[in-house]
Amino acid sequence: AQSVTQLGSHVSVSEGALVLLRCNYSSSVPPYLFWYVQYPNQGLQLLLKYTTGATLVKGINGFEAEFKKSETSFHLTKPSAHMSDAAEYFCAVSEESNYQLIWGAGTKLIIKP
Amino acid sequence: KAGVTQTPRYLIKTRGQQVTLSCSPISGHRSVSWYQQTPGQGLQFLFEYFSETQRNKGNFPGRFSGRQFSNSRSEMNVSTLELGDSALYLCASKPVPLANNEQFFGPGTRLTVL
Repeated sequence: AQSVTQLGSHVSVSEGALVLLRCNYSSSVPPYLFWYVQYPNQGLQLLLKYTTGATLVKGINGFEAEFKKSETSFHLTKPSAHMSDAAEYFCAVSEESNYQLIWGAGTKLIIKP
Repeated sequence: KAGVTQTPRYLIKTRGQQVTLSCSPISGHRSVSWYQQTPGQGLQFLFEYFSETQRNKGNFPGRFSGRQFSNSRSEMNVSTLELGDSALYLCASKPVPLANNEQFFGPGTRLTVL
């Protein structure tokens, strides 16, 4: 069965520092990969997705993620954190054979001034 | 284009009651999924509807049910509410149920069971 692991339920970085949120998945076939963000008291919003093609995917708000098949990873990065990035981030995966999204547990990103 | 809307946004019920939540997908979207989100369990898939048919169901008891109407609007119902049903219920839509389609989420309905 597919699974998604997000390392760290909470990640704290200083404003202006690099943001790195980790996501590893288990899939025996090429997956589709997604990162969503949830701000307090709101629904989830798509940040970026990988389907096929270029393995480095750029998303909204300066975020990007790289699909590394050999490492079964899809880590999310942003070069310089902003206070407005404080939110919870979810990684999710789906496959052609079973298109239901499998979700990670989420990582709360805390930005220190 | 209007986003996914959910009503009501907040709801307080007591144990044993039943509740109905409503979701209107983005215009043209025919697939609607429902999720339960709690601090302890995270995001859990409840069910998905497409063209008025339930296509997938998560691992929830039969007290949780749903339906979809011909205009793609969806409702979910929870009967005999329990304290553990307190959660944020999220609805998400997409045009068709394809693996590479992203879902568009509504703001959620916050259900509190007392």
